[in-house]
Amino acid sequence: RKEVEQDPGPFNVPEGATVAFNCTYSNSASQSFFWYRQDCRKEPKLLMSVYSSGNEDGRFTAQLNRASQYISLLIRDSKLSDSATYLCVVQQGYSTLTFGKGTMLLVSP
Amino acid sequence: GAGVSQSPSNKVTEKGKDVELRCDPISGHTALYWYRQSLGQGLEFLIYFQGNSAPDKSGLPSDRFSAERTGGSVSTLTIQRTQQEDSAVYLCASSIGTGGETQYFGPGTRLLVL
Repeated sequence: RKEVEQDPGPFNVPEGATVAFNCTYSNSASQSFFWYRQDCRKEPKLLMSVYSSGNEDGRFTAQLNRASQYISLLIRDSKLSDSATYLCVVQQGYSTLTFGKGTMLLVSP
Repeated sequence: GAGVSQSPSNKVTEKGKDVELRCDPISGHTALYWYRQSLGQGLEFLIYFQGNSAPDKSGLPSDRFSAERTGGSVSTLTIQRTQQEDSAVYLCASSIGTGGETQYFGPGTRLLVL
């Protein structure tokens, strides 16, 4: 089983749609969770951290279910500029990040 | 302030040659990471430096790969006797280093081994 699994997509949605991505992780000792965004041929950039209580940043909502080892990202009112690959990332302790392969989102006019 | 910088941005080399990739972390960041991303694959951890501690080399795929970090700042990743399967984007990241904080990535070096 891969450490961090994501549906590769692509998810094709129209502008204004709501879209949700899911991610599962295998290491129950994982302590920190993130969503990164990677544009084509660019480096990954932190989108948001994911907290146990769930957290929201504008149109983006992230949730964590430790019991099910499941992380989600919800994007409301999709914009063309949201088109990117979204990487689910977990961290054990204070060391390296383990990345999923990413979910590609394409938002069309 | 400047972000993480990497050089060269692109490198084409012949199979069997050695290559050196450079990373300049954000000033003051004590933690430095190297990852690689092959086409269609996720990011793969290679090596991690934290301050003056011994580096975590657990992700290096073979003994052809090595990395140094001089003076706690600039890092060089060296690949000896390159193989075609080494072709990938090599990404460097740095963080403040106190634990669990955001890693900031450089733009990467695109390596193509012919």
